Amino acid sequence: EVQLEQSGTEVKKPGESVKLSCEGSGYTFSRYSIHWVRQMPGKGLEWMGTIDPRNSYSNYSPFFQGHVTISLDQSINTAYLQWSSVKASDTAMYYCARSSGYYSLLDYWGQGTLLLVSS
Amino acid sequence: SAELTQDPAVSVALGQTVRITCQGDSLGKYYATWYQQKPGQAPVLLIYGENNRPSGIPDRFSGSSSGNTVSLTITGAQAEDEADYYCNCRDSSGSLVVFGGGTKLTVL
Repeated sequence: EVQLEQSGTEVKKPGESVKLSCEGSGYTFSRYSIHWVRQMPGKGLEWMGTIDPRNSYSNYSPFFQGHVTISLDQSINTAYLQWSSVKASDTAMYYCARSSGYYSLLDYWGQGTLLLVSS
Repeated sequence: SAELTQDPAVSVALGQTVRITCQGDSLGKYYATWYQQKPGQAPVLLIYGENNRPSGIPDRFSGSSSGNTVSLTITGAQAEDEADYYCNCRDSSGSLVVFGGGTKLTVL
């Protein structure tokens, strides 16, 4: 069974760093890209970016480029989304999802990680 | 980058048919995908490609397209179909992914 297991809720102060994780299991991790999607409270889904384990190539939405970093540790089948300095406006639920061949087709999703940023 | 436009809210009487649409320039070039999200849950893949359903998705859900518009049709809506529905697609460059703003479906 394909599963994406995300790390737990993070509570941070503005300016702190944070790294969210997404561990894949039940499939060959290296064959499928991982995407990250933001959902702010009461709002819709926003695509942040993706990383391809086959070549570690990452691609970001222009809105998020430079603000977050997507990375991998293939030795433990895990993708990461990280900030060096969070802001209150980063408060949101963050989902990882796997794309199945077709680039924008996200067939399996993690359960989400809530990031709360407050002073 | 391309935008995908969805009606913010749609309602349907129990057992009736409802169509949810998604419009965008890149839809004439790339396949759209539909997702269902219920409150407090992660999105779930609903329809992909021309009109394909993953295992476990009821056949009352179907997809279609015409030009720059794709549609999700629920034939015989059930109470459990009350949810938010999102479309997504590549943008016109093909290198990015965009989501529609989502449609909140109310089953009356």
